[in-house]
Amino acid sequence: DGGITQSPKYLFRKEGQNVTLSCEQNLNHDAMYWYRQDPGQGLRLIYYSQIVNDFQKGDIAEGYSVSREKKESFPLTVTSAQKNPTAFYLCATQGGGANEKLFFGSGTQLSVL
Amino acid sequence: KQEVTQIPAALSVPEGENLVLNCSFTDSAIYNLQWFRQDPGKGLTSLLLIQSSQREQTSGRLNASLDKSSGRSTLYIAASQPGDSATYLCYTETGANNLFFGTGTRLTVIP
Repeated sequence: DGGITQSPKYLFRKEGQNVTLSCEQNLNHDAMYWYRQDPGQGLRLIYYSQIVNDFQKGDIAEGYSVSREKKESFPLTVTSAQKNPTAFYLCATQGGGANEKLFFGSGTQLSVL
Repeated sequence: KQEVTQIPAALSVPEGENLVLNCSFTDSAIYNLQWFRQDPGKGLTSLLLIQSSQREQTSGRLNASLDKSSGRSTLYIAASQPGDSATYLCYTETGANNLFFGTGTRLTVIP
């Protein structure tokens, strides 16, 4: 996991509920990413952030929100507007801008009750 | 938009065999290409990163090559072991925040 902590490992959401996935890093990396992984599919980008207090939508941002108030933290909220939230969520970081290694957390499995 | 393809989607080999995993991409203007391993229910573990100016990288029994002109990378695993069983993913970077992943090859090494 290389200094990236995702919690919780498993999360259950009731219908109409917002839930927040945590991603914390101690690698001093500027860039942080949230990906969604569905069985048999590749990783799809939800949101990314290059710097504190700034973030951009990825390919599938609808129904999700993020914040980047601290360099170390990039929480992802799955809102009730996301109708199909069951998936494996991965947080990644990258230091030094482009052309650097990407590091991943251990993931959070979100399921709907 | 970059498309990254990994074929086959699944591969089974007997223990001890040498094998090659493939990664193809459509846009050759990449900064780098990285290979990852993912175990079931786990995050991605970085294996090898090849910069655009490099042709290959090696780590232990793993060797990754890059041919930008043909849009291909291969991951060679020597003397495969059951512990190598996992899904292997590649991704390419074509600029800041332009990261494109393949769908992976699920490898099973049979004892």
